[in-house]
Parts: sequence; structure tokens; C-alpha cells
Amino acid sequence: GEDVEQSLFLSVREGDSSVINCTYTDSSSTYLYWYKQEPGAGLQLLTYIFSNMDMKQDQRLTVLLNKKDKHLSLRIADTQTGDSAIYFCAEKGYSTLTFGKGTMLLVSP
Amino acid sequence: ETGVTQSPTHLIKTRGQQVTLRCSSQSGHNTVSWYQQALGQGPQFIFQYYREEENGRGNFPPRFSGLQFPNYSSELNVNALELDDSALYLCASSFNYVTNTDTQYFGPGTRLTVL
Repeated sequence: GEDVEQSLFLSVREGDSSVINCTYTDSSSTYLYWYKQEPGAGLQLLTYIFSNMDMKQDQRLTVLLNKKDKHLSLRIADTQTGDSAIYFCAEKGYSTLTFGKGTMLLVSP
Repeated sequence: ETGVTQSPTHLIKTRGQQVTLRCSSQSGHNTVSWYQQALGQGPQFIFQYYREEENGRGNFPPRFSGLQFPNYSSELNVNALELDDSALYLCASSFNYVTNTDTQYFGPGTRLTVL
């Protein structure tokens, strides 16, 4: 079966880099996603990576994919207080996304 | 371009009642997926509709049912509500998802409370 795991909590200071990690189990996943959820809100797509890529950079966001270890990470450079939220990684199956339980990122001034 | 919208925003029901949640997909999208997000958890896939047909279903009982309309909007119906159905229900739309070419965009969700 498919399972996506994330660490539950990360605390950083404003201006530092944040790294959120994720492991997945379905080696046939074609796309892997990062979504952001602020309190009481829906999910906002941050970025995604195709499974034949190792890295993708999008402004302050860098996604690294290690297919051998089924490990995905999201690095946020120059983290701001507005980045405080829950971050979900998700793997794409045939008709579904399978999500982790989310990592709560807390950014302190 | 209009994003994904959902209604109502909040809803309170009692056990045994039935509920209908609605979703309007993003302009140009033909696929709608529904997810249940319990407090403190990640979203769990309920089902997906592609061109008005169910195109996949997660581990949810038959009392969870859905529809997709010709304009690609969608409804989620839940019968015989249970306390554990209390959750945030998220709708996501995408285009031609079955060919692995596109990404799901989420609405703001409907918060359902069952008393």
C-alpha cells in the first residue's frame, strides 16, 4: 500500500532556511507535490516535481528528490513569519493524491 | 480565471442526517476529486469524477456518494451521518488528470460538524 510520512513539527527563526522532509513508498509515483495549508483554509499548491527530476527550484523553494531512497524534501530559503503553516507532501497515484500527515512549520521573529 | 469554490463554508448536522456539499471546478477543468481531512490529519481521498463518471474511490463506505454535472461542477452526498464524519471536506479540480498531465487545485473546503 501507499504511505507518505513526514516529521510533524519544525521550528525556525525568521531569515533561516527551513527543510521539510518526506518519505514515500509508491515507486511508481510520477509526480510528487508540496502543498501549504494555513489555519482554517484549503490547500495551496506550492510546487511539484516529476519523478525523472532530481531537483527543482522555484524562487525561494527548492525541491530535492532521491528516488532510490524514496525521499523528498522542500527547502524554503529566507523563511518569513508568513511561511508559518502546515506543509503536506503528496504522491500521485492513478486517480488520487496520497498525503502525509503534514509538517507544522513555526517561524519565530 | 475562476478558482475552485465550495459551498457551504460551514455546516452543522446531527447524527443520522444527510448532507450535500457542492464544488465548482476551476475554469477549463474536467476532473473533480473529493477529500476528507480530519483534525490533525492529512487529506484522505474519497473519490474522483472525470467527465461525469466515477474514476476511482478510496476506502469510504457507500453512504458517501457523488455526482458530476455537465458543467463539471460536483456534489458530495453523505447519508446517515456519524460523529466521525466531522471533518473538513476538500474538493480539487484538474484537467485531464487521468493522463497524468495535470495537477489538482483545491478549494477552501467545507467544515462539517456532526453532533
